Amino acid sequence: DQQVKQNSPSLSVQEGRISILNCDYTNSMFDYFLWYKKYPAEGPTFLISISSIKDKNEDGRFTVFLNKSAKHLSLHIVPSQPGDSAVYFCAAERGGSQGNLIFGKGTKLSVKP
Amino acid sequence: DGGITQSPKYLFRKEGQNVTLSCEQNLNHDAMYWYRQDPGQGLRLIYYSQIVNDFQKGDIAEGYSVSREKKESFPLTVTSAQKNPTAFYLCASSILAGGLNTGELFFGEGSRLTVL
Repeated sequence: DQQVKQNSPSLSVQEGRISILNCDYTNSMFDYFLWYKKYPAEGPTFLISISSIKDKNEDGRFTVFLNKSAKHLSLHIVPSQPGDSAVYFCAAERGGSQGNLIFGKGTKLSVKP
Repeated sequence: DGGITQSPKYLFRKEGQNVTLSCEQNLNHDAMYWYRQDPGQGLRLIYYSQIVNDFQKGDIAEGYSVSREKKESFPLTVTSAQKNPTAFYLCASSILAGGLNTGELFFGEGSRLTVL
């Protein structure tokens, strides 16, 4: 049973507009969430994270929002750039086990010039 | 430069053969991990190790084995018992900082294993 779900396999956005990537989770015990970005044939790179004690974390063009009651988080990229085109993975950290992450299946973002 | 090095990048093996993937890190990280990625799938945890000479099974450990004899090295052996070994394998490491959430993993560039 998938505990971290990214229901949109792909998303296409125009350059300069906002990209919104969504992620849902089922385990209310998760208390730390991360987003990773991955280019083909490379390892993922860490993008941004959020603790469950917060509802928003911002880093430059990237903002992650957490809605604990809905068990939902989203990643906003504003403005989107062609270089942002990649697969984005949402991940949740298993309680009591640092670095032991459960990943969603990913959303492929395409930013068109 | 500090980082994680995986080798080989591409590997072809015949069915029934064991194969070992190398992972070395010079980041002085405590923990190391092996993940597997299949097309259209997220990353699934195979094994992880938080300290030298100790490791734990992840979600899909069957058919795999690991060792952690040195802090900087965490090789993964894909055995003939693994039913579907063709995949992209990713090694990662992280700092363990007591009770703080650090979940940030640093990944290598991956090894693509194809079993013929």
